[in-house]
Amino acid sequence: EVQLVESGGGLVQPGGSLRLSCAASGFTFSSYWMSWVRQAPGKGLEWMANMNQDGTQKYYVDSLRGRFTISRDNAKNSLYLQMDSLRAEDTAVYYCARDQGIAARPGEYWGQGTLVTVSS
Amino acid sequence: QTVVTQEPSLTVSPGGTVTLTCASSTGAVTSGYYPNWFQQKPGQAPRALIYSTSNKYSWTPARFSGSLLGGRAALTLSGVQPEDEAEYYCLLYYGGAKVFGGGTKLTVL
Repeated sequence: EVQLVESGGGLVQPGGSLRLSCAASGFTFSSYWMSWVRQAPGKGLEWMANMNQDGTQKYYVDSLRGRFTISRDNAKNSLYLQMDSLRAEDTAVYYCARDQGIAARPGEYWGQGTLVTVSS
Repeated sequence: QTVVTQEPSLTVSPGGTVTLTCASSTGAVTSGYYPNWFQQKPGQAPRALIYSTSNKYSWTPARFSGSLLGGRAALTLSGVQPEDEAEYYCLLYYGGAKVFGGGTKLTVL
């Protein structure tokens, strides 16, 4: 069974940093593209970033490039999101998702999400 | 800034048929945008329903279908069930990056 479990969320002050993790199991992690998607309270989904199997291809939504960094450790079956210079508008539930390829089947499986709250 | 537009809300009667659409600010949506559709119920993570315009996952109920319609991606629900009440999101591919639509809140009434 495919499982994705996000962790690392919590309360952080504006301007602070946070690193989210996504632990994958039930499939060969190193064979799949992976994505991060977020959802602000009461709002819609926002695609943030994805990366390929070996980390050589990464794509970001323009508004986040430079502040957020996606990475992975295939030996640990884990996906990461480093978030810097956090703002109140970054408050959201952050989901990791498994993609089947770069385009065809994004978000085939999702984790349950981790809540990040940016507030003083 | 690319914008993907969906109907904010739709209402359908049980057993009825409804079509949700997804438009791109860049022009007509084609198969090259690999339209995907997701369902999200309150308090739950999204669930994938349709990929690459019209392909279903093994868990997608037969009453859901995807297509291209008048330059938009479309999701049609035929024989709507009460459990189909949810938010529906489309996702389009823009050569690497992807963009979600704003979502359609489907009410079954």
